[in-house]
Amino acid sequence: DAKTTQPTSMDCAEGRAANLPCNHSTISGNEYVYWYRQIHSQGPQYIIHGLKNNETNEMASLIITEDRKSSTLILPHATLRDTAVYYCFKGGSQGNLIFGKGTKLSVKP
Amino acid sequence: GAVVSQHPSRVICKSGTSVKIECRSLDFQATTMFWYRQFPKQSLMLMATSNEGSKATYEQGVEKDKFLINHASLTLSTLTVTSAHPEDSSFYICSAGRDIYTEAFFGQGTRLTVV
Repeated sequence: DAKTTQPTSMDCAEGRAANLPCNHSTISGNEYVYWYRQIHSQGPQYIIHGLKNNETNEMASLIITEDRKSSTLILPHATLRDTAVYYCFKGGSQGNLIFGKGTKLSVKP
Repeated sequence: GAVVSQHPSRVICKSGTSVKIECRSLDFQATTMFWYRQFPKQSLMLMATSNEGSKATYEQGVEKDKFLINHASLTLSTLTVTSAHPEDSSFYICSAGRDIYTEAFFGQGTRLTVV
């Protein structure tokens, strides 16, 4: 079961941090948490992934709870170009992508 | 990062004709590529797994004779929509990665319109 639970939509003011939660309570010990996003009319884009420790790259930060049952993707200073649908996966490598509805993030000026 | 290129980005074809979409991994070899379809306001749905040198694996409900997949080299997979009909109009997207355990890289998608 590759399903996770995410809120359907979120709004964020431009320049503020966007915090996108994901519940993956059935994650197994060796499954990573992966995040992708899809900007309108484009192919999805890989953002970040992690196993246990928090991760940061040039796009975002990933905070994983100690029990690994949930995580939060943080866009520290959201811009209008971050408006997209964000998908969280457990597993999430290319062989395991079953897309749910994701979270539609709207960044507003 | 790795780049996956898809061509064409947009195509309009007449009903009954066939359309070929190409997916290339530009800086890595991909023994496996994936094809997705996305209808308006819906999420991506996996259509098939393309395997280099062997037959593709299709998801339930996807007609293998209608959606022909060829993965003849380690950098190229093609999806041919045969005898296209208006209901085949959709956004087709491919993905690939360095191996099945690492992140996927997606093509920019192909918007197919069948008239």
